[in-house]
Amino acid sequence: ETGVTQSPTHLIKTRGQQVTLRCSSQSGHNTVSWYQQALGQGPQFIFQYYREEENGRGNFPPRFSGLQFPNYSSELNVNALELDDSALYLCASSPGEFYNEQFFGPGTRLTVL
Amino acid sequence: AQKITQTQPGMFVQEKEAVTLDCTYDTSDQSYGLFWYKQPSSGEMIFLIYQGSYDEQNATEGRYSLNFQKARKSANLVISASQLGDSAMYFCALGGSTLGRLYFGRGTQLTVWP
Repeated sequence: ETGVTQSPTHLIKTRGQQVTLRCSSQSGHNTVSWYQQALGQGPQFIFQYYREEENGRGNFPPRFSGLQFPNYSSELNVNALELDDSALYLCASSPGEFYNEQFFGPGTRLTVL
Repeated sequence: AQKITQTQPGMFVQEKEAVTLDCTYDTSDQSYGLFWYKQPSSGEMIFLIYQGSYDEQNATEGRYSLNFQKARKSANLVISASQLGDSAMYFCALGGSTLGRLYFGRGTQLTVWP
């Protein structure tokens, strides 16, 4: 059974740029959630994708967008990067759209300069 | 509103001793779930244990147990026989009626010393 994977591991961008982060869900899981974890904080929910549709969104602006593909992998896109977007971005997959046990990937650490 | 509170920024425990990490929650949902995750310095969130709001018995997973007191809205994590490898950040999380969304506390940094 393959776990959740994320790429890249680390990324450095400058303010105003755009970034795409990728996530492959665990085998058999059709739901992917994205979280932002700022330094010293707990993860904050960005949004969830269930069967290729956005299925819930946290308090994040529209410049945070995502996609889920037929194989249930997912992308997180962030446009017009701001310094405050520097964080660890975590992807979690689960076997359904409800608050099931979510399995997290290793995260992508984004630094915005 | 959903909220998780972890009041202990840091905890220290000697190897082989037990330790309790506190977590209180607030929710208006009748059906909800409580989770504990471990986050080593590498960043990955590792699932430890889950308690459903209708579960009558406290959850246990190996050395981890969850002390669930519904009336007090608390869901404390108990780690028995601590090991050096238990040193990490621990997060309590709440899942409720908002599909798929987990609400996390600010975490407790656990340090196990020899």
